[in-house]
Amino acid sequence: TQLLEQSPQFLSIQEGENLTVYCNSSSVFSSLQWYRQEPGEGPVLLVTVVTGGEVKKLKRLTFQFGDARKDSSLHITAAQPGDTGLYLCAGASDEKLVFGKGTKLTVNP
Amino acid sequence: DSGVTQTPKHLITATGQRVTLRCSPRSGDLSVYWYQQSLDQGLQFLIQYYNGEERAKGNILERFSAQQFPDLHSELNLSSLELGDSALYFCASSVGGRGDAYEQYFGPGTRLTVT
Repeated sequence: TQLLEQSPQFLSIQEGENLTVYCNSSSVFSSLQWYRQEPGEGPVLLVTVVTGGEVKKLKRLTFQFGDARKDSSLHITAAQPGDTGLYLCAGASDEKLVFGKGTKLTVNP
Repeated sequence: DSGVTQTPKHLITATGQRVTLRCSPRSGDLSVYWYQQSLDQGLQFLIQYYNGEERAKGNILERFSAQQFPDLHSELNLSSLELGDSALYFCASSVGGRGDAYEQYFGPGTRLTVT
């Protein structure tokens, strides 16, 4: 079974701080997706990275796919309370998505 | 709003019982996926249907079954319920059949509590 480990599991920071969360695996994935899930709602896709070494930016969020396509990171610049939520990574394998357990981010005003 | 609807939003039932969760995909989407989310296991893929046929199977227990109807809505049946089945159950839909190639849109989930 392919596993995706996300770290840290919990992160509580002040508004304006920068942060990075990680998604690691010993397996290679053809692509990797990042989702944000807010309480009482389903996950919402933020980005898909496909090529090893790829970097994608979405406003204050920067996503990177590792060169070997086994890991990924999400960096948030100047975090805001609206960034609060559960961040999930998901690797594509055998036409299915394998999800990590997520990083629960709280941004305090 | 993703366009995916799930009913009911909350469900409380006793051990040994059977429940049915319902999902309506986004208009035009042919695939429906079922996921279970618990605190210790995270989001686990259960099963996928594409245009009425089972397409992929994940960590789905034998006590659980699903189907997709001609109008493309789907139902997940959970039987002989155990305390450990308490979780959030999400349905997602996508336009295509490959779960890794098309964006999946998630519904708001059904929170199941087994007492």
